[in-house]
Formats: sequence, structure tokens, C-alpha cells
Amino acid sequence: RKEVEQDPGPFNVPEGATVAFNCTYSNSASQSFFWYRQDCRKEPKLLMSVYSSGNEDGRFTAQLNRASQYISLLIRDSKLSDSATYLCVVHNYGQNFVFGPGTRLSVLP
Amino acid sequence: EAQVTQNPRYLITVTGKKLTVTCSQNMNHEYMSWYRQDPGLGLRQIYYSMNVEVTDKGDVPEGYKVSRKEKRNFPLILESPSPNQTSLYFCASSLLGLGKNIQYFGAGTRLSVL
Repeated sequence: RKEVEQDPGPFNVPEGATVAFNCTYSNSASQSFFWYRQDCRKEPKLLMSVYSSGNEDGRFTAQLNRASQYISLLIRDSKLSDSATYLCVVHNYGQNFVFGPGTRLSVLP
Repeated sequence: EAQVTQNPRYLITVTGKKLTVTCSQNMNHEYMSWYRQDPGLGLRQIYYSMNVEVTDKGDVPEGYKVSRKEKRNFPLILESPSPNQTSLYFCASSLLGLGKNIQYFGAGTRLSVL
């Protein structure tokens, strides 16, 4: 089993739709969790850190469920500019960062 | 401007010819790391460093070397490149500590080994 798993998609959604991505991780000692966004073959950029209490940034909401070892990302009112690959990342302090394979999102006009 | 700088951005080389990809950050970050990204495999960590003179293997270290003689620099060395090292490479840096360990990435280096 891979350490971090994501549905690769693609998710094709119309503008204005709400879309949700899940990510599961296998290392119960993981301490930090992130969602990164990557546009085609460019560098990943931080979208959100994910905290136990859940956090929201505008149209984006991230949730962490430690008991079930998954994190989620919800995007409301999708824009064309949201089209990208979304990478789930987990980190166990003092060790390496592990990236999921990414979920590709296409927002259609 | 806070940034991670990789050079070169594009490189075509031949099997066996030693090469170095440089990475430099100006944010005084303790943690630096190298990744490779291949279609269908996502980003995989090659090596990382938690401070000067401290380096550790990531998931795919074979065929690569690194050094961390200064805090700001973390070069990636391919002593004898092979075609299976053709990939997109990213350098990243971050502070250490919960809530601070957000990674910033360089723009990437596209390497082709013929």
C-alpha cells in the first residue's frame, strides 16, 4: 500500500460546482498535512495547511480525520482558474515529506 | 524576494557525464530537499537535509549525491547519469517545526539523459 493515496481523477466539473477530494495516509505518526496545487509541470505551491480542527480559506475548506487517517479538500464555486493538480502531502517531523500522486481537476466553462 | 533558485532550468546530457544541479534559498531555511517527478508516479523525495552537514536519503536516492556545506545551498550531483534519471527535478526548502514546515519550491529542472 502506498503511504499517501489519492484518486488521480480527472475530475471534470462545470464552473460553479462544488468538488471534494480525499486523501488517505498510512503512517499514523504523521504530524503535518498539506494541500499543494500544481499547474502543468510547474512547481507545486502551497494551497493550505490542514489542521485537526479543520480550516477554511475563502472557497477552500480542508479537514483532517486522524482516526480514519484521511484528509479532504472541498472547493466551492469552482472557477476556471482552479483547474490544476492537487497534491496531498504528509510529513512526520524529522523525516521526509511524502506526496500523493495528485488529483487532476478540470473546471469546464 | 524570498525564493528558491535552481539552475539550470533545462539540461540535456549524455550517459555517464557527471552533472550538478544547483539549488539556493534566501529564506534561512534549515530544511532543504530534492524531488523528482515522473508521469504517474508523482513527486518522490531523493534526499533531504535538516541542517548544514546533515543529509538523509529519501525514497529514491540511488544514483544521486548531495551535500550541504552551507545553509543556503543544496546541490544535487549525478556522478554517472543514466537514461532512467531523465525527469523533472524540484528543489524545496522550509523551516522546521510544526506549523512552520511549509515547503517552497524552485521552478524545476528538466533533465534529459541520452
